[in-house]
Order: sequence, then C-alpha cells, then structure tokens
Amino acid sequence: ETGVTQTPRHLVMGMTNKKSLKCEQHLGHNAMYWYKQSAKKPLELMFVYNFKEQTENNSVPSRFSPECPNSSHLFLHLHTLQPEDSALYLCASSQGLVTGELFFGEGSRLTVL
Amino acid sequence: GESVGLHLPTLSVQEGDNSIINCAYSNSASDYFIWYKQESGKGPQFIIDIRSNMDKRQGQRVTVLLNKTVKHLSLQIAATQPGDSAVYFCAERGSGGGADGLTFGKGTHLIIQP
Repeated sequence: ETGVTQTPRHLVMGMTNKKSLKCEQHLGHNAMYWYKQSAKKPLELMFVYNFKEQTENNSVPSRFSPECPNSSHLFLHLHTLQPEDSALYLCASSQGLVTGELFFGEGSRLTVL
Repeated sequence: GESVGLHLPTLSVQEGDNSIINCAYSNSASDYFIWYKQESGKGPQFIIDIRSNMDKRQGQRVTVLLNKTVKHLSLQIAATQPGDSAVYFCAERGSGGGADGLTFGKGTHLIIQP
C-alpha cells in the first residue's frame, strides 16, 4: 500500500461516454499529480495541483478535465475520448512541489473503444 | 532538449547475480535523480534517489552511482531475487524544478532467470 488509492482500476468506455477517475491520498501531502503511461513511452505529466490549485497543465487536450476539491482528492473527468487515449493513468502525490519523491497509486487502466 | 534514456529496454540476469541498469541524461543542470521500480499491474515505487552533489548512494541491496562528467546514472542491485523482476525507471529534475519538473526515462525491463 502506497497511501495513494485510485479507482476504478480498470475502465472501458466508448468515445461518446463521460467517466471520471478518482484518486485519494492518505499521506497528508499537499501536491497531487496525474500522469499518463502508454506502452513503450516515458511517463507523461498531465496536471499538477499544489494546495488544491492547479500549477501545471502540460498541454493536455480539453477532453481531460481535472478537479481537485481538496489536498487529499483528485479527479480526472473524461469525455469524448479517442482510442489513442487508452493508457494507464497514474495519480501521484508528494509532500510539496520542492520534494522530488512521488508516491504513485496503482493506476487506472483506461480502454477507449 | 532534455531527455532521459535507458541504454537497454530489457536486461536478463541470473538469480543471485548483481544487476546494473544504466541511464543517460542530457540536462547538465539536473540536480536530483530518482530510480523507480514498477511491477506488473502496479504503480511505480520509489527505490532510491541521489542529489547532484553526490556520486554514490547506497540503500538496502541497491546502489546508485552518478557520473556527472558523462551524464550517466546507474542502479546496481546486489544478489538479484525473483521479486526484483520489474521495469525500472530513472527520472531527473532540472535545477529549480520541483516534483513537477521530473522527466522520466522509458524504462528497462529486468528479467530474472532461475
């Protein structure tokens, strides 16, 4: 257990569906992140939140919409996705932005049909 | 531009042998480096880190070596066990950047032969 919990672990959706990924951290951290992990590619940073405020949007298409209601919870709302968006979506947290160590969740495996 | 890469996509070692996983980076301003381990079906897990003012750091069965002259990072795993089978990622952080400034490599798949 890393202290970062992601749900659902697996999700299959059509291109017209709307779904959400959820992440919760029990570590008392202030920063939370969404990463995308595709086969044979490095981890791609998508969004960063620090004390609930978004500090980074790494040129992510608007069909991905993050939400951070508090420092412990992070959502990724998905709508009108494309098949190439199929990937493992990883949530991570860190004590702050300065510290380098990220604690990752197990990921949500997304398949877009 | 910045890039972090691993020399080999797959490394196969005999159980009990030592493993060495290499990583090259291009940003000479990077001040912090991390190794992560990702087992099948799980998220990346922190193994060990090292700051640029050090050239070696040891953990339990793992050692990270940093050669800033040639911008090379390596992870050594002593007495490799079946549980070490995973994909290993290096990551670097440019100076002045925080955790959001980490750049990850593609990963090396470590396979343990019985």
